[in-house]
Amino acid sequence: AQSVTQPDIHITVSEGASLELRCNYSYGATPYLFWYVQSPGQGLQLLLKYFSGDTLVQGIKGFEAEFKRSQSSFNLRKPSVHWSDAAEYFCAVGVNDMRFGAGTRLTVKP
Amino acid sequence: SAVISQKPSRDICQRGTSLTIQCQVDSQVTMMFWYRQQPGQSLTLIATANQGSEATYESGFVIDKFPISRPNLTFSTLTVSNMSPEDSSIYLCSYRGRGDGYTFGSGTRLTVV
Repeated sequence: AQSVTQPDIHITVSEGASLELRCNYSYGATPYLFWYVQSPGQGLQLLLKYFSGDTLVQGIKGFEAEFKRSQSSFNLRKPSVHWSDAAEYFCAVGVNDMRFGAGTRLTVKP
Repeated sequence: SAVISQKPSRDICQRGTSLTIQCQVDSQVTMMFWYRQQPGQSLTLIATANQGSEATYESGFVIDKFPISRPNLTFSTLTVSNMSPEDSSIYLCSYRGRGDGYTFGSGTRLTVV
């Protein structure tokens, strides 16, 4: 069965600092991997996805993620965080259906 | 990707009553999914709905509480039955597109009082 783990429940970074959100998946083959963002009271927004090919994936809002098969990871990164990036971030694995991680809440300090 | 319309967007319901949530897709899709997002939590898959067959429920969810219909390839409903305050959540429908990943409805914010 597929599953995904986000080890960090809450992360705080300063505005302008770099960001990395961790995601580990469990699946027997190469999965489909996704990162979503959800602002308070808002719906899900897809940041990026990985199906195959280049393991470094570029997404919207300056985010990127790198698929590392050897580590079963799909970490999300951003070189410089903006205050508007404060939100909940969900990693998900989707093969026959989609399973979400528990989420990481990002707080941005001024 | 096909557009998915979900309604109602929100509702406040009395305990013991039922609410039916509808999702309409503007093209035919094979599989649709229903999720629950409890306050402050992640999304949990309730069930997978294929047209012409009974929905497949995840552990912890039962058909008597969350009956699902899938009468055709563009439409599905989820009913939350005999509601209690613990059912207060956001409910979302979704489908998997061809090569496009998953598309989600805008969600139904349910409050049970």
